[in-house]
Amino acid sequence: EVQLVESGGGLVKPGGSLRLSCAASGFTFSSYSMNWVRQAPGKGLEWVSSISSSSSYIYYADSVKGRFTISRDNAKNSLYLQMNSLRAEDTAVYYCARDRYCSSTSCFVKGPPFDYWGQGTLVTVSS
Amino acid sequence: SYVLTQPPSVSVAPGQTARITCGGNNIGSKSVHWYQQKPGQAPVLVVYDDSDRPSGIPERFSGSNSGNTATLTISRVEAGDEADYYCQVWDSSSDHPGVFGGGTKLTVL
Repeated sequence: EVQLVESGGGLVKPGGSLRLSCAASGFTFSSYSMNWVRQAPGKGLEWVSSISSSSSYIYYADSVKGRFTISRDNAKNSLYLQMNSLRAEDTAVYYCARDRYCSSTSCFVKGPPFDYWGQGTLVTVSS
Repeated sequence: SYVLTQPPSVSVAPGQTARITCGGNNIGSKSVHWYQQKPGQAPVLVVYDDSDRPSGIPERFSGSNSGNTATLTISRVEAGDEADYYCQVWDSSSDHPGVFGGGTKLTVL
């Protein structure tokens, strides 16, 4: 059974830092691209960042570029999000999500869906 | 950056058909994915690649995509379908390619 379990959320002051983790199990983690998606209270989903299976390709939303860093450790089956210079508007539930497996170039170009999601971890940025 | 536009809300009576649209410039050239999210829960993929269904998703959920509009259709709507629905694409021409629509609240009357 595929499982994604986020951790590391909490209350942090503006300008502070936090590192989120996502522990994966039930599948060959090293074969899948992974993503972070967030949802501010009462708002919609916002894509945050993506990382390919070997970390060769990394993408960020404009809203977090330069402040957040996505990484992964395939030996530990873990995905991370280092969040620095946090702002009030970063307050959200952060989900990690797995890309559906891609085996063709066209799939990678068009972008696979996020087929499994964790339950999320809440990050609150407030003084 | 690429923008996806969804109606904020759609209402439908039980047993009827709900259609939720997702508008975007030439969205027909992209693969559109749809997610269902119930209160307090993580999103669930219900349709991918415009019209495919993951295993376990009822056949009542279907999708289409052409021109500037993609549509999620839910036939024979049930009370349990009440949720927020989000469309999503990957804009590979962009440096920040992940894009979600604003979401549509489906209310079952």
